[in-house]
Amino acid sequence: NAGVMQNPRHLVRRRGQEARLRCSPMKGHSHVYWYRQLPEEGLKFMVYLQKENIIDESGMPKERFSAEFPKEGPSILRIQQVVRGDSAAYFCASSPKGDGYTFGSGTRLTVV
Amino acid sequence: SQELEQSPQSLIVQEGKNLTINCTSSKTLYGLYWYKQKYGEGLIFLMMLQKGGEEKSHEKITAKLDEKKQQSSLHITASQPSHAGIYLCGADSWGKFQFGAGTQVVVTP
Repeated sequence: NAGVMQNPRHLVRRRGQEARLRCSPMKGHSHVYWYRQLPEEGLKFMVYLQKENIIDESGMPKERFSAEFPKEGPSILRIQQVVRGDSAAYFCASSPKGDGYTFGSGTRLTVV
Repeated sequence: SQELEQSPQSLIVQEGKNLTINCTSSKTLYGLYWYKQKYGEGLIFLMMLQKGGEEKSHEKITAKLDEKKQQSSLHITASQPSHAGIYLCGADSWGKFQFGAGTQVVVTP
């Protein structure tokens, strides 16, 4: 049973480009969470999704960021028109019913 | 929302010495997680505590949750270079997982 898979592990984007981060939850897990870790800071909650629904997006920046968790396929965190301040590690976690979290290894986004 | 405060923010310990990290919550904890993150890597699950007074150990790392379930400590005995990294406490808060700011541990020879 593979763990939470995130890809790519490293992503480099130029300012203004789009970044797409993928998270495949563990088998049987229908809850997905995204977190952002800025350099020198702790992990900050961004968004909580269940299949096809956004449950809580209180940690998402109001502009340029969006997340989805379709019925089929991985959860996607999408950042449009990236800026240098978006450079961070983005972690995804999944759980079967809202607890018992398993984290992925993260995607490190670098905006140049 | 639940606030988790970790202390110290960072600490330097000589190899072989013990160290303790604290995590304090503003609200009762119903599940307290400890993770370790090595620089540039993902999160490694260490332990989860749920019951007041619970204590768990794995190798040289011991975690405790106090009776009131508002404070947890992580204790490392006879630290080794492999213990270096960032230690994070986390807790479930109404379906939203919250983290402390982390404690950076440096182990010197």
